Amino acid sequence: DTEVTQTPKHLVMGMTNKKSLKCEQHMGHRAMYWYKQKAKKPPELMFVYSYEKLSINESVPSRFSPECPNSSLLNLHLHALQPEDSALYLCASSQVGALQETQYFGPGTRLLVL
Amino acid sequence: GENVEQHPSTLSVQEGDSAVIKCTYSDSASNYFPWYKQELGKRPQLIIDIRSNVGEKKDQRIAVTLNKTAKHFSLHITETQPEDSAVYFCAASKAGGSYIPTFGRGTSLIVHP
Repeated sequence: DTEVTQTPKHLVMGMTNKKSLKCEQHMGHRAMYWYKQKAKKPPELMFVYSYEKLSINESVPSRFSPECPNSSLLNLHLHALQPEDSALYLCASSQVGALQETQYFGPGTRLLVL
Repeated sequence: GENVEQHPSTLSVQEGDSAVIKCTYSDSASNYFPWYKQELGKRPQLIIDIRSNVGEKKDQRIAVTLNKTAKHFSLHITETQPEDSAVYFCAASKAGGSYIPTFGRGTSLIVHP
């Protein structure tokens, strides 16, 4: 299985809502990532988990809260978002410390904040 | 930190022509260089990658070349087809630990039938 899955595919939320994005991989990868991507721009790194521990937080506002319940799952909890947070949210995974550091992306969740 | 420059930002070619996208990087310790293709509304997908111990790699119509001395690498697509139309991102990273690539700004390739 060489796939990263994400749910939901689309999400519309108001600025007072709380929602969660989910990501799953069964490739045995021990690094998982959240990226934010605006149209025709490169993915922007938000968070990195390595062996289920948060290793990088790229100064992301606290209205985004990541969680890694186990080595296969990654969540991103959303609360009190702003319209400028509307974007494609991509999850990715990779090996850690191995030669083959290819990063595999999920299909993303397209988020619209009203 | 690493800085990756990618050119051109837009590339328009006729079907059957070749397309070349170029990237430069700043950190001489970078040793892994993947290329991703992202079609509209879809995920970035790895199309080819190269490591610093190799100068060139080919996969059918796609090739990547790496010049470590000049710190630049290029993607070559031959016999372009309309389905090659997408945004292409180059990236650079160092091996080991969590894999944190630095992406280029992307090239929008348009192949006209």
